[in-house]
Amino acid sequence: DAGVTQSPTHLIKTRGQQVTLRCSPKSGHDTVSWYQQALGQGPQFIFQYYEEEERQRGNFPDRFSGHQFPNYSSELNVNALLLGDSALYLCASSLGTSNWQPQHFGDGTRLSIL
Amino acid sequence: DQQVKQNSPSLSVQEGRISILNCDYTNSMFDYFLWYKKYPAEGPTFLISISSIKDKNEDGRFTVFLNKSAKHLSLHIVPSQPGDSAVYFCAASGIQGAQKLVFGQGTRLTINP
Repeated sequence: DAGVTQSPTHLIKTRGQQVTLRCSPKSGHDTVSWYQQALGQGPQFIFQYYEEEERQRGNFPDRFSGHQFPNYSSELNVNALLLGDSALYLCASSLGTSNWQPQHFGDGTRLSIL
Repeated sequence: DQQVKQNSPSLSVQEGRISILNCDYTNSMFDYFLWYKKYPAEGPTFLISISSIKDKNEDGRFTVFLNKSAKHLSLHIVPSQPGDSAVYFCAASGIQGAQKLVFGQGTRLTINP
């Protein structure tokens, strides 16, 4: 039973560049959420995708955008990268958008901005 | 505004004893609470959850207690094992029915032999 998979595992970019991170949800799951985790902090919610639409969004600027594909996989895009975007980006999946469904996380993509 | 707080950055417990991790929240609209464990270089792993209609949920060595009047939850691990050494995050969701998780800052648990 495949869990949540994310790619790449590590990425180094420079300020002003654009980046795309990818996520495949756990088998049987159809909802994908993205989180940003800064060093020493808990993950912060970016947005959630269900039925190929953005359903909820956290306090992140429009530079952060996403997409969900018909096979439920998802991408997170960040434009005009800033030094402060350096973080671990986590993808989580669940079945449906019911509040009482636990989300299962991938191992993340470590993004470093130089 | 930190809506979910874990006030102990670290906790050290002897192997075989009970580990108690605490979490406080401020928003009474939260109605679902979860605990995750995180090892270095891995994503958070779901451990146990509890809905606001319960005050206790048990799964093997792990028990979560919820005190809604105090806006407090705790995770008990009995007995503690060396493999339990990790960072533990509590999380809450449910505001306006949303699945968005709000996390605490984590507590690093170390189990000593």
